Amino acid sequence: KAGVTQTPRYLIKTRGQQVTLSCSPISGHRSVSWYQQTPGQGLQFLFEYFSETQRNKGNFPGRFSGRQFSNSRSEMNVSTLELGDSALYLCASRTGSTNEKLFFGSGTQLSVL
Amino acid sequence: DAKTTQPNSMESNEEEPVHLPCNHSTISGTDYIHWYRQLPSQGPEYVIHGLTSNVNNRMASLAIAEDRKSSTLILHRATLRDAAVYYCILSPTQGAQKLVFGQGTRLTINP
Repeated sequence: KAGVTQTPRYLIKTRGQQVTLSCSPISGHRSVSWYQQTPGQGLQFLFEYFSETQRNKGNFPGRFSGRQFSNSRSEMNVSTLELGDSALYLCASRTGSTNEKLFFGSGTQLSVL
Repeated sequence: DAKTTQPNSMESNEEEPVHLPCNHSTISGTDYIHWYRQLPSQGPEYVIHGLTSNVNNRMASLAIAEDRKSSTLILHRATLRDAAVYYCILSPTQGAQKLVFGQGTRLTINP
């Protein structure tokens, strides 16, 4: 079974631009979560989607948004990029049952210049 | 969310057991204890989780204190590939959908 796939692997943007990151979950997984990882703040939860609906949301500004498609693939969008948005963005999937493990992708490394 | 406390770093030798501690004194009765690890340049990887009883799987063992205020992840025979940051996380009964990661323990394995 293929793992969680995130594209692109690396991305460089400038302040003020917007960016869209993509995540393909493991086949059969209906839940996709997004996390931001920075050296200062560590791993922080952004949001979770399940069957195309946002089910949980972390404490991030509205510039961070996401969506999930009917095939469970998910995209995350960040508008009006700031320098502080430079981070590793990780996607994780799971089937959607309670208290099961997450499977993470390798992440998209975003650099904002 | 209940908080966990872990040592910033630990060091061990190859082929020796490793005990990684985690304190969670404010754990609630329904919180599960999850462990994930993150190898360099990779996303986190699930290691093990438990509620009250000790748990074993092919990767590790989880020993949970009787009062549940602390737990220990045990790697029975460390290899160089076990060098990673290990995260101890509490998750409410309703799922692993919003994991709150702390700073974790950076484990170094000496050959």
